[in-house]
Formats: sequence, C-alpha cells, structure tokens
Amino acid sequence: AQSVTQLGSHVSVSEGALVLLRCNYSSSVPPYLFWYVQYPNQGLQLLLKYTTGATLVKGINGFEAEFKKSETSFHLTKPSAHMSDAAEYFCAVTHKAAGNKLTFGGGTRVLVKP
Amino acid sequence: DTAVSQTPKYLVTQMGNDKSIKCEQNLGHDTMYWYKQDSKKFLKIMFSYNNKELIINETVPNRFSPKSPDKAHLNLHINSLELGDSAVYFCASSQEGRVQFFGPGTRLTVL
Repeated sequence: AQSVTQLGSHVSVSEGALVLLRCNYSSSVPPYLFWYVQYPNQGLQLLLKYTTGATLVKGINGFEAEFKKSETSFHLTKPSAHMSDAAEYFCAVTHKAAGNKLTFGGGTRVLVKP
Repeated sequence: DTAVSQTPKYLVTQMGNDKSIKCEQNLGHDTMYWYKQDSKKFLKIMFSYNNKELIINETVPNRFSPKSPDKAHLNLHINSLELGDSAVYFCASSQEGRVQFFGPGTRLTVL
C-alpha cells in the first residue's frame, strides 16, 4: 500500500521568504511523485512530477522539489514567495503497477503575508 | 479550449434524490477518473476507467455508479443521496498512466 504524509496543514510565510512544504511517502516499489496546487474554488493543477532520472525537478511558477529515496521525501520549495502562491498544495504518489491510482496527502494551505 | 470540463459546477439537492455529474475531456486521453474531496480537503479516488472499461473501483457505496459512454466522457450517477455525500467531486483524465489533468470540480450539497 502507498501513503503520503504532509507535515503541517497550514504554513504561513512572508512575501519574498522561502516556501518549504514537506511531503513524506510510503511505497513498497519505486514511486512516481507529484505536487499539485489548488487555488480557491478551482481544480488541481500540476506543479511538478518525479518519475525517474534527475532527483531535483523543476516545475511551474518557480517551484522545485527533490526526491530523496533514503528519506522517503519529496519536499517542495520556492525561494521567494509571492502573494499569488496562496493556495492549497497536495503531494501525491503512485507507481507503475498501481493503475495510475494517485494517493494524496492531506494538503497544506499556504498563506502569504505582505 | 477547456481540457477537462464538468457539469454542473454546483449542485444543491435534497436527501434521497438521484443526481448525475457529467465529465468530458478533449485531450484524447484513454483514462478517466472520479475523485471525492471532503470538507477537510482530503482527496480520494473513487473510480477509474480506461477505454470505457472500469479498472479502479475503490470502496464506494453502490449508490455511486460511473458510466463511460465513450473515451471522452465519464459520468457519475448517485442514487438516494445522503448528507455525507456532500463534497466536491473532481473528474480527471490521463494518457497511458501519465500525468492526470483535473477538471474544475462539482460542489455537491445535500440538504
């Protein structure tokens, strides 16, 4: 079985400060990992994904994440927060034999202070 | 040019009623999904169809019945609606197990 834990249901950052959202996963086979963002009253939009290859992946809007197998983590970062980054962020895991069944973490709401 | 669309966006109904939510994708994908997001924002897969064939069927009450008339459409029919069915339902699609693209969601409120 696969699972995802996102540490911190709410994160508050100042505009211009580092954004760090934590994601730890559990998977018995090599995982495919994703970060999605959900703006208020909207659907989910893919930020970035890791399947194979380079462990540091860059996504849209200046976000990046690093796959660390030894730590079973896939933390999301952005060097400088912008007001438009205020949203809900979801980490998700699947693997090749899972029929593309995504298992999501509980989400982290990001608040950006001016 | 909407990739994954859902109708309606909002649905308010009484307990015991039957309702349907429609989903269409114009991406040419072969797999479509239904997810439920509860009031605490927790997202969980309900169903997945590949080329009109059911491939994922999570532990969902049999009051929920997905129907895929063709590869581009996946509808969700719910019988005898209950208060606990109130949630946001998201449709998604993907091609050959790749990235899933999500629709805007349908907020269902059962009174």
